[in-house]
Amino acid sequence: QSVLTQPPSVSAAPGQKVTISCSGSSSNIGNNYVSWYQQLPGTAPKLLIYENNKRPSGIPDRFSGSKSGTSATLGITGLQTGDEADYYCGTWDRVLSAGVFGGGTKLTVL
Amino acid sequence: EVQLVQSGAEVKKPGESLRISCKGSGYSFTNYWISWVRQMPGKGLEWMGRIDPSDSYTNYSPSFQGHVTISTDKSISTAYLQWSSLKASDTAMYYCARHEDRVGTPFDYWGQGTLVTVSS
Repeated sequence: QSVLTQPPSVSAAPGQKVTISCSGSSSNIGNNYVSWYQQLPGTAPKLLIYENNKRPSGIPDRFSGSKSGTSATLGITGLQTGDEADYYCGTWDRVLSAGVFGGGTKLTVL
Repeated sequence: EVQLVQSGAEVKKPGESLRISCKGSGYSFTNYWISWVRQMPGKGLEWMGRIDPSDSYTNYSPSFQGHVTISTDKSISTAYLQWSSLKASDTAMYYCARHEDRVGTPFDYWGQGTLVTVSS
């Protein structure tokens, strides 16, 4: 059971938009920045979003992040088949004194 | 170019010991922490713990405290994850990841992963 809660799967058609939610608590999301990671099949995770809504160099602006209270959201517009991957949110938990991840969301581009 | 290069896949028997490695290059190794992340087959990411290579200070997730040891040799820019007695449940992919020297900072570079298989 992951500390952060994500939907197991989401799907949408090419060109459409999708959002992935990440729910936590005051000990984690509520008091820390949230990052998002993309894991393509058979590869290592890759940083997509950091500090809630910032994109590392090279990440297209089709990817966006937001945070409100104890929840965060990843948005992907203009879906492409190459976006099919598992997406994870992550942050720090002050009570556990540990890094925590969501359980992951599998994105299918129909 | 920043790189984290991990050691190769391992096949071990229950009860055996193991140490896997993660070598950093392209940056000042002691200016960033290294975390280890487990991914069991078909499952999600789990943060195991982290080390500050500048002083070898570590902290572990409660789930992994006492089960693994994280260490570093800054002279060769390498971090390690070690087990003294493996179990079948340790079968997983293990990733190292770099992050700035503050808690809660993002993992901006990841190793390619080391697959550990524990089977009798």
